[in-house]
Amino acid sequence: EIVMTQSPATLPVSPGERATLSCRASHSVSRDLAWYQQRPGQAPRLLIYGASTRATGVPARFSGSGSGTEFTLTVSNLQSEDFAVYHCQQYYDWPLTFGGGTKVEIK
Amino acid sequence: QGQLVESGGRVVQPGGSLTLSCETSGFPLSSYGMHWVRQAPGKGLEWIATIYYRGTHQFYADSVKGRFTIYRDTFQKTLYLEMTSLNADDTAVYYCARNGLREVSGGHFCDSWGQGTLVTVSS
Repeated sequence: EIVMTQSPATLPVSPGERATLSCRASHSVSRDLAWYQQRPGQAPRLLIYGASTRATGVPARFSGSGSGTEFTLTVSNLQSEDFAVYHCQQYYDWPLTFGGGTKVEIK
Repeated sequence: QGQLVESGGRVVQPGGSLTLSCETSGFPLSSYGMHWVRQAPGKGLEWIATIYYRGTHQFYADSVKGRFTIYRDTFQKTLYLEMTSLNADDTAVYYCARNGLREVSGGHFCDSWGQGTLVTVSS
């Protein structure tokens, strides 16, 4: 099983600043990596797939990078609606696995 | 983007069974793989099952293998998750989700999610 590790667990950020989230895979997943946003009480929402491709309707302030075992999600100019939990997921191999999540909170 | 609406979650006793439904609309169910993902209270996301778009293959997490079955009815446009031998560790919100790519047996990320249905296993 490919273990996905996200860091940090909690990230305090001021509105308007940049948040940088990390996701590490225990084995290479090539670029088969997705990022999701989950607001409180809501279902997850796809942000990024293929490590760096934004999903339909996702603002350009969200960007993904990386390949192999190291991935980054960057959220620029944080808006109030961006304070949420972010999950990464590998789909390179079965079982599909998620990271533990990073909560971006208001500093 | 498709619309997904789960139903069927409730309180069930340990050892019991339950079938969840996910009604789909806005896309042909026969053209997309589908997933079930769950989230225990206060925890992260856990993938539990996938059915290929052709309906020919199913995959399960070890935690549910042999106890859960994913299947679909393309005429009713509904995805199902049959759950048996439930235990407290199965308590979670269960989400159905659509595969991000159409008519491919890969690319297993989720581009549309339902609102979830809560299953509580308790005596």
